[in-house]
Amino acid sequence: QVQLQESGPGLVKPSQTLSLTCTVSGGAISGSDYYWHWIRQHPGRGLEWIGYIYSTGSTYYSPSLKSRATISVDTSKNQFSLRLSSVTAADTAMYYCAREDPPTTYYYYGMDVWGQGTTVTVSS
Amino acid sequence: EIVLTQSPGTLSLSPGERATLSCRASPPISTSYLAWYQQKPGQAPRLLIYGASSRATGIPDRFSGTGSGTDFTLTISRVEPEDFGVYYCQQFGGSPPRTFGQGTKVEIK
Repeated sequence: QVQLQESGPGLVKPSQTLSLTCTVSGGAISGSDYYWHWIRQHPGRGLEWIGYIYSTGSTYYSPSLKSRATISVDTSKNQFSLRLSSVTAADTAMYYCAREDPPTTYYYYGMDVWGQGTTVTVSS
Repeated sequence: EIVLTQSPGTLSLSPGERATLSCRASPPISTSYLAWYQQKPGQAPRLLIYGASSRATGIPDRFSGTGSGTDFTLTISRVEPEDFGVYYCQQFGGSPPRTFGQGTKVEIK
């Protein structure tokens, strides 16, 4: 059974770069056919999609974060990562990673595996 | 840009009652390109429904999803105490390619 676990610094200073890692256990990222997502949730708010990396290495980001977000994969460590540059207090949130089966032409399978989330606070 | 609008914001119910949650897409989306998630306090979201109407693994049959195009509905036939939490709809394929609704909170009356 595949499990995801987010990790990273809980506190980041304004203007710095936030770096988070999602470690995949119970299955290999390399050679798998999945989308790997990052989603965040501001305190007391709803879910905000950040972006994904596909098994081909292609990425796509939310327009609101596109200029600051980078998602990458390290297959040797079975991890994928999020880097968010120039953070401000508005980036304080719970960050989740999730796995998604590739949609077909006619069907969408949803994000079926989620990590527990990691809290990030941006403060000096 | 595709916007998902969920209603009501909060649904107050007693155990055993029927819950009807709405998700409206603008512009319309393909019928099978919608998922529903449940989130309990302090927990990650959990996939309930995919393809608008298929239950995810281990989801009880009291949960059902219907709808197409613009209007989608999540129904809990008889709410159980463990069903209280926040429910989100999510679309695939628009621009941006993934977006969530703002959520509906199901609370104990």
